Amino acid sequence: EAGVAQSPRYKIIEKRQSVAFWCNPISGHATLYWYQQILGQGPKLLIQFQNNGVVDDSQLPKDRFSAERLKGVDSTLKIQPAKLEDSAVYLCASSLEGREAFFGQGTRLTVV
Amino acid sequence: AQTVTQSQPEMSVQEAETVTLSCTYDTSESDYYLFWYKQPPSRQMILVIRQEAYKQQNATENRFSVNFQKAAKSFSLKISDSQLGDAAMYFCAYRSGYTGTASKLTFGTGTRLQVTL
Repeated sequence: EAGVAQSPRYKIIEKRQSVAFWCNPISGHATLYWYQQILGQGPKLLIQFQNNGVVDDSQLPKDRFSAERLKGVDSTLKIQPAKLEDSAVYLCASSLEGREAFFGQGTRLTVV
Repeated sequence: AQTVTQSQPEMSVQEAETVTLSCTYDTSESDYYLFWYKQPPSRQMILVIRQEAYKQQNATENRFSVNFQKAAKSFSLKISDSQLGDAAMYFCAYRSGYTGTASKLTFGTGTRLQVTL
């Protein structure tokens, strides 16, 4: 069974630029999560989708972050404009409803 | 809101020895799940073990076992016969067991485990 796929693995951008991350969940998983992991901290949920609807986006900085999950499968997380404090690893995870989450390898973003 | 605390930023263990990583949590819910995830340098979070709060029996997975103390809200991970491949960041995580609510994981700050020869 293929795991959660994320791209790119690494991204370096200048502050005020925009960036997008892509996630392809495990086939059949209706729930998709985006987590932000700042260096030295545990992951923090940014947004959770159930199929293509948003379940929880209370921690998403909506003035600069946006996410979508078209057709309830792939998802894209965008940051525009990026700030220095957005430097982090962005992890995507998916799960069957009510079951444990499986994570991708993440995207390491560096904002300079 | 639920919180998860890992008070050991770093731990070290010799190969073949046993090590215990500590985790405490705070919640007012009675139905929940607790997890230990391993994060190697590849960054992928790998599930090590899970515990349902309603189960009194401690979960075990091969060399990994937990000591779940519900009243004390403590959830420690014991790694027996440590191997070099066990070296990683270990995160304790909490998830509500109630359906109809967001099933997000709340993570601790992690413990870096070093395994020495």
